[in-house]
Amino acid sequence: AQTVTQSQPEMSVQEAETVTLSCTYDTSESDYYLFWYKQPPSRQMILVIRQEAYKQQNATENRFSVNFQKAAKSFSLKISDSQLGDAAMYFCAYGQETSGSRLTFGEGTQLTVNP
Amino acid sequence: DSGVTQTPKHLITATGQRVTLRCSPRSGDLSVYWYQQSLDQGLQFLIQYYNGEERAKGNILERFSAQQFPDLHSELNLSSLELGDSALYFCASSRGSYNEQFFGPGTRLTVL
Repeated sequence: AQTVTQSQPEMSVQEAETVTLSCTYDTSESDYYLFWYKQPPSRQMILVIRQEAYKQQNATENRFSVNFQKAAKSFSLKISDSQLGDAAMYFCAYGQETSGSRLTFGEGTQLTVNP
Repeated sequence: DSGVTQTPKHLITATGQRVTLRCSPRSGDLSVYWYQQSLDQGLQFLIQYYNGEERAKGNILERFSAQQFPDLHSELNLSSLELGDSALYFCASSRGSYNEQFFGPGTRLTVL
């Protein structure tokens, strides 16, 4: 079974600084996709960014970018110019077609942004 | 707003009871997923439907069942409720496979 591990239960960053959240996963598949979701205090799950395993180029979405290392099975999220609104729980998630596209989530990293 | 709606937002009930959670996917999305988020288990996949058919099943309890109707909305039925069933239940939808899943606001279930 696929597993997703987020080794940092909590992280903090100063406003306007950069922070990197770590995620590793375990799979024997070669074709899959990875996501980062954000869950603010409202508890809404918000998609931040997506990466397909077959793509070598790292995905970027405005201030959010990933460092996808397929051989190392690593998928970290970099948040640049951190804003107070970035404070949330961040979940790394793995999905693949052969399992019906279900998502397997990591334990989450609680990000605090200090003014 | 993700475009996925869930009702009710909150549900308080007693042990042994049965409840139904409802989800309407985004317009055009054929897949509906149900997830449970609890303090001790984290976010766990329960079940997926694609265009009315069950597509994948996770660690869903036998006391739980779901269906997707012809208009693509879905319902998750939870019966013989136990204290441990208290959790946030999310519905998500996607166009099909390999597409990002968009989550509804969740239904907070409290079993007393």
